Amino acid sequence: SQQGEEDPQALSIQEGENATMNCSYKTSINNLQWYRQNSGRGLVHLILIRSNEREKHSGRLRVTLDTSKKSSSLLITASRAADTASYFCATGVAAGNKLTFGGGTRVLVKP
Amino acid sequence: SQTIHQWPATLVQPVGSPLSLECTVEGTSNPNLYWYRQAAGRGLQLLFYSVGIGQISSEVPQNLSASRPQDRQFILSSKKLLLSDSGFYLCAWSVTEQYFGPGTRLTVT
Repeated sequence: SQQGEEDPQALSIQEGENATMNCSYKTSINNLQWYRQNSGRGLVHLILIRSNEREKHSGRLRVTLDTSKKSSSLLITASRAADTASYFCATGVAAGNKLTFGGGTRVLVKP
Repeated sequence: SQTIHQWPATLVQPVGSPLSLECTVEGTSNPNLYWYRQAAGRGLQLLFYSVGIGQISSEVPQNLSASRPQDRQFILSSKKLLLSDSGFYLCAWSVTEQYFGPGTRLTVT
């Protein structure tokens, strides 16, 4: 079963705009990770935020985590056409480092 | 640096035929290894994971099995494929974050 649920399911924006997507989950986690998948390809790890962290930055990416609300957000600033992809959140637990993935947000950045 | 290989990239197999997908990792020792399946337009479903040679945990009951004959080799198999086995299969390895292979698109006809 899916632990994380992304919102929205799809997002269409103009190049240069910011893209925000959210992830909600149900049970306690060790960490939460965001991945990107270009069409028909494998997933690429973007950023990991641990359960005791509240915010993390990596380049144009900003991730927040609110464990009280069991939610996370991914912000892509100044989007580019190359950011067009599906973005997945995944919740991690310590045992076996298993991840449970959400259904993803499809982002289309129009040039 | 670490790399992960997965083959074949695409595969078309008839119902009832056997399956063997292979995944190998280079540049790391004793990684956790994972097999996922992704249906079209959906998230990933964890099928199997392994924390060491010969140690396989199955996450969902299904027509598939997995084996880890060597530290950095993970194999997904089936004796008789079903139509419902079609999908995009991804192998991954991890220390903390997971690193994915390029995937195998399997079509069962």
